[in-house]
Amino acid sequence: SQQGEEDPQALSIQEGENATMNCSYKTSINNLQWYRQNSGRGLVHLILIRSNEREKHSGRLRVTLDTSKKSSSLLITASRAADTASYFCATPPSNTGKLIFGQGTTLQVKP
Amino acid sequence: EAQVTQNPRYLITVTGKKLTVTCSQNMNHEYMSWYRQDPGLGLRQIYYSMNVEVTDKGDVPEGYKVSRKEKRNFPLILESPSPNQTSLYFCASSPRTGAHGELFFGEGSRLTVL
Repeated sequence: SQQGEEDPQALSIQEGENATMNCSYKTSINNLQWYRQNSGRGLVHLILIRSNEREKHSGRLRVTLDTSKKSSSLLITASRAADTASYFCATPPSNTGKLIFGQGTTLQVKP
Repeated sequence: EAQVTQNPRYLITVTGKKLTVTCSQNMNHEYMSWYRQDPGLGLRQIYYSMNVEVTDKGDVPEGYKVSRKEKRNFPLILESPSPNQTSLYFCASSPRTGAHGELFFGEGSRLTVL
């Protein structure tokens, strides 16, 4: 089952620009998480937003959550070439031990 | 250093030859999980474990087995590997019971089944 779906699948921007990625999910959740993956490496946790939160910040990252629309967005401000990676949202459907990932957005930041 | 360690990192094997991918974490985490990553399909959960001796199926458990006899170890067993199990596998752990906390990932095990 595909719980989370990211949009767009790929994004290419210039250094210094902002990057916005969106995630939609299907079932009720307790939280939504965003991860980053450099090519072929393990995923790294970026930020977790709980279902009763609407917005959360961490450094240059800003995450929003709209539970009524079952959607979330990740904004990376003032992007850097080092931000080039794939970004995934992940959701744990309520009352399960699963954590389901979307297919990811591949971000390329050009120097 | 806190980490999740997977072995082997790379493996080429043949159809039907049983293999085990080990996973160990040194963070005393209760929750552990296995994922496979395939182009165009993202990460799909194979099995997870919420504590010792407790394991549950994820979305793609067919052809895999796991065990959780100790808190730190969560091996993935392919009893009779087939070419469609060629994939990049990730083990992950979390300090929270269930999937409600951040996951810490290993570096991945790239498996090719001929």
